[in-house]
Amino acid sequence: DTEVTQTPKHLVMGMTNKKSLKCEQHMGHRAMYWYKQKAKKPPELMFVYSYEKLSINESVPSRFSPECPNSSLLNLHLHALQPEDSALYLCASSRQLAGLYEQYFGPGTRLTVT
Amino acid sequence: AQKITQTQPGMFVQEKEAVTLDCTYDTSDPSYGLFWYKQPSSGEMIFLIYQGSYDQQNATEGRYSLNFQKARKSANLVISASQLGDSAMYFCAMRVPSGAGSYQLTFGKGTKLSVIP
Repeated sequence: DTEVTQTPKHLVMGMTNKKSLKCEQHMGHRAMYWYKQKAKKPPELMFVYSYEKLSINESVPSRFSPECPNSSLLNLHLHALQPEDSALYLCASSRQLAGLYEQYFGPGTRLTVT
Repeated sequence: AQKITQTQPGMFVQEKEAVTLDCTYDTSDPSYGLFWYKQPSSGEMIFLIYQGSYDQQNATEGRYSLNFQKARKSANLVISASQLGDSAMYFCAMRVPSGAGSYQLTFGKGTKLSVIP
């Protein structure tokens, strides 16, 4: 089973709203990732968690707040977003952060900020 | 710095024909991994195939094969017997050490493949 699940599939939110994206994997992977992808562009790395600790934060604005409650779950809390934050948000996991392991991606959440 | 180059923004192929998607890479690290992902319009990034820098043989997975030419720093994806369901964006990616025990995945800009019936 190489499944990464993400909820919700679609999200529309206003600039004053607070919402959360959820990601889950049951492959025993110890590294989990958030990516942002704009239309017709490759994914851009936002955050990386390794063994439930934040390892990489690619200078993402504080209106995005990641959380890793346990080894299977990854959340992305959203607050006071801007219209330019509208994008596809992809979650991924890999066996570990170190090593040449493939990353498995979830289906993504399409976020629209109005 | 690590770099992946995909020079074909779009490609067309006739159904049942083979197609090659180009990918070149640049890294000074001797240990790296090369990956191909497929992204249909639905958005999910689907892992297709992996080639390690020390692998002697080209990777194959069903209808997908990776033409790895290390001296030329190329890792082209070959899809045999194209199907309509192969229409998608294809990303080449490279994973290399990025310091402090961390590894980073660098993506190319992608190639949009369209399969014609």
